[in-house]
Amino acid sequence: AQRVTQPEKLLSVFKGAPVELKCNYSYSGSPELFWYVQYSRQRLQLLLRHISRESIKGFTADLNKGETSFHLKKPFAQEEDSAMYYCALSEYSSASKIIFGSGTRLSIRP
Amino acid sequence: KAGVTQTPRYLIKTRGQQVTLSCSPISGHRSVSWYQQTPGQGLQFLFEYFSETQRNKGNFPGRFSGRQFSNSRSEMNVSTLELGDSALYLCASSRNPRDSYGYTFGSGTRLTVV
Repeated sequence: AQRVTQPEKLLSVFKGAPVELKCNYSYSGSPELFWYVQYSRQRLQLLLRHISRESIKGFTADLNKGETSFHLKKPFAQEEDSAMYYCALSEYSSASKIIFGSGTRLSIRP
Repeated sequence: KAGVTQTPRYLIKTRGQQVTLSCSPISGHRSVSWYQQTPGQGLQFLFEYFSETQRNKGNFPGRFSGRQFSNSRSEMNVSTLELGDSALYLCASSRNPRDSYGYTFGSGTRLTVV
């Protein structure tokens, strides 16, 4: 079954500490992986895609096909990173039928 | 450019009624998808439309339906509302079904069924 698992509902770290939001997936085929973010009172928005291999706002995510993981990392957390983060997948190079994880609320303590 | 616009923002309905939600995509976007977001189930895919045709459908009962018009605007309809249909309904648009980078969400319509 196609599934995205985010094991942590809440992650709380101090400002300046490293952050890792975990994401594991189950998909029969070649998926495209995403991280979406929703800041307080804002729309759900794309943070990054695995095929872009980019760093956005200091965040990076590497696709590990062997472990079927796509963890989101940032070396030094900032208070403005506090938000809800969703890992998601779709069929490769497709925006159709995106499957979302349950989300992790990241809280950065000053 | 204007973003994805969903109307109305809030809606309160009683059990048994039906409701229609509207989504206007970004200009030039022809693909529209709908999601239901609840605290218990998270974000679940409802359906996807492209060029007025339903391309994909999620695992929802037939009470949930949708359509897309020639101007790419989309509506979704829920008939015989149940308390469990209370949720935030999100719409997302993109240029086409392969445009994952341009996939943009609206602010949603919050439906409360009483």
